[in-house]
Amino acid sequence: AQSVAQPEDQVNVAEGNPLTVKCTYSVSGNPYLFWYVQYPNRGLQFLLKYITGDNLVKGSYGFEAEFNKSQTSFHLKKPSALVSDSALYFCAVRDTTSNTGKLIFGQGTTLQVKP
Amino acid sequence: GAVVSQHPSRVICKSGTSVKIECRSLDFQATTMFWYRQFPKQSLMLMATSNEGSKATYEQGVEKDKFLINHASLTLSTLTVTSAHPEDSSFYICSAASKPPVANQPQHFGDGTRLSIL
Repeated sequence: AQSVAQPEDQVNVAEGNPLTVKCTYSVSGNPYLFWYVQYPNRGLQFLLKYITGDNLVKGSYGFEAEFNKSQTSFHLKKPSALVSDSALYFCAVRDTTSNTGKLIFGQGTTLQVKP
Repeated sequence: GAVVSQHPSRVICKSGTSVKIECRSLDFQATTMFWYRQFPKQSLMLMATSNEGSKATYEQGVEKDKFLINHASLTLSTLTVTSAHPEDSSFYICSAASKPPVANQPQHFGDGTRLSIL
């Protein structure tokens, strides 16, 4: 079965420190991977995607993610966290059994950046 | 960038009322729109996939007669929660995929609708 796992419910980092939010996936075929961020009472905002090419993908707001095929991971990273990065982060993978672009979401990770 | 507008942002109404939520793609055509439900601090649960000009495809366990979806044009999909009850209270979010649906393109999300049934 296709799935996405975010093993951490919450990640706490100090402002200015690097952050990592973990994601692993299981799909049949080539994975199309996405990261989204959600602020309170808002919809999801697209951060970045991996389709093919370089394993290190750069996205919005200074975020990047590293695709690792052997570990089936797509961890989100940022070199220096900001308090304003505090939000709920979702990793998602396209459902390859569907032709509608349907996504499978992880359970979400709350990022708390403290001053 | 692609913008999806969702309206209303918040609804508070009495039990038994039917509530309509609109999802519009403002600057692109959306062949496919998705409707999600989200419980507090939880992930998004896909309710249905809405295709322009055809019937929506509902996920297992979602009552199609309870959650009516209409996708009448390439820029508008509506979700109607019929005879809403307190257990239908939730955060509903729509998203849209551009035409034609392309696997490597992200979905674009509306800002959600907070539905509270008294």
